[in-house]
Amino acid sequence: EADIYQTPRYLVIGTGKKITLECSQTMGHDKMYWYQQDPGMELHLIHYSYGVNSTEKGDLSSESTVSRIRTEHFPLTLESARPSHTSQYLCASRQGDTQYFGPGTRLTVL
Amino acid sequence: AQTVTQSQPEMSVQEAETVTLSCTYDTSESNYYLFWYKQPPSRQMILVIRQEAYKQQNATENRFSVNFQKAAKSFSLKISDSQLGDTAMYFCAFMIGDMRFGAGTRLTVKP
Repeated sequence: EADIYQTPRYLVIGTGKKITLECSQTMGHDKMYWYQQDPGMELHLIHYSYGVNSTEKGDLSSESTVSRIRTEHFPLTLESARPSHTSQYLCASRQGDTQYFGPGTRLTVL
Repeated sequence: AQTVTQSQPEMSVQEAETVTLSCTYDTSESNYYLFWYKQPPSRQMILVIRQEAYKQQNATENRFSVNFQKAAKSFSLKISDSQLGDTAMYFCAFMIGDMRFGAGTRLTVKP
């Protein structure tokens, strides 16, 4: 079982603010992912990384950006948050053929 | 394109009864992995069960079992002796390279 941490768990901010959602895993997994999920709805892949200095955009177009400077850390940044960014953001990492999820960050942009 | 379809947006079951959630997928590949994930309300997504496509035997984890029909590209989840704690969104997922998720089925277990 993998340990994946996401902070903050809940965030309410005003429009135009810059925010960074943190994701860390302690298992040394190379592959990491960010999904966007409206409550009770399907998951949409927005970013992924196969290792340090590797980042790719996912299926769903997103105004967010990611970085992967260290294996264990995969932060997601919104330069200027908007109400349309209100959603839940799930981070995941993968070991072999199994993907493990963090607890998620529920973001509300006013 | 590889797709995953969960045709039941919502289901309900009485406590202690059995329920089956359906999932179909589309791929031309022969080697892949299939998963069911559970997401309880406001809680973390967790892996319920996984199946390797090259294994004919259906995977089982306690009260959870799958019916894997490779030719039909079907991967249903059976929950036996349903418990109130089984109430959750259930996502079927398929992996070749990266993972593809279905839209989810919201299961409610009623007392």
